[in-house]
Amino acid sequence: GAGVSQTPSNKVTEKGKYVELRCDPISGHTALYWYRQSLGQGPEFLIYFQGTGAADDSGLPNDRFFAVRPEGSVSTLKIQRTERGDSAVYLCASSLYGGANTEAFFGQGTRLTVV
Amino acid sequence: QQQVKQSPQSLIVQKGGISIINCAYENTAFDYFPWYQQFPGKGPALLIAIRPDVSEKKEGRFTISFNKSAKQFSLHIMDSQPGDSATYFCAASTGAGSYQLTFGKGTKLSVIP
Repeated sequence: GAGVSQTPSNKVTEKGKYVELRCDPISGHTALYWYRQSLGQGPEFLIYFQGTGAADDSGLPNDRFFAVRPEGSVSTLKIQRTERGDSAVYLCASSLYGGANTEAFFGQGTRLTVV
Repeated sequence: QQQVKQSPQSLIVQKGGISIINCAYENTAFDYFPWYQQFPGKGPALLIAIRPDVSEKKEGRFTISFNKSAKQFSLHIMDSQPGDSATYFCAASTGAGSYQLTFGKGTKLSVIP
């Protein structure tokens, strides 16, 4: 596709439920990032993939959060036992490779609301 | 601990004026400083970026000024237009490892006609 695509655009779930958020990066981009943006805040880093492997997952807030990228392209962010505090916009970004000089392109985000 | 502090939180500028947004950082390992523009309902988009080996970078109406000794950098938008109305984020990364970006809290810019 032309840009980073995230689905769904909006997700409303009940507290305690499991959710999956999907990210389709720009074709050929080896680096993929997940960020979380709470209302009125800047994006916060969650996890970085280089190819299929999670090279840095230091931003994941706890073990309820997990992400995969099994074929080095599409990535899924998984949240177990959702809590109201998980409500935020989850942003995915990709770049040609994982380097500071390469531009990270962001998707439009998935707005997660936990009720 | 917030590693990148951004001000002001909101800014109103008249059309044709200069918009100035400031950021300060603490981590001296940061060596890449991008600015992102975000419209409502959209993801952030890279506007302009600078590395600490230069003190200023200009692209069109957008200029980054960088002061390494003060650990501060700023975005100047010349001849501000209503279409520039958006939220602006400064960010920083170490340029090594995961290249994760640390963002400021954002500045909501409104350019009034």
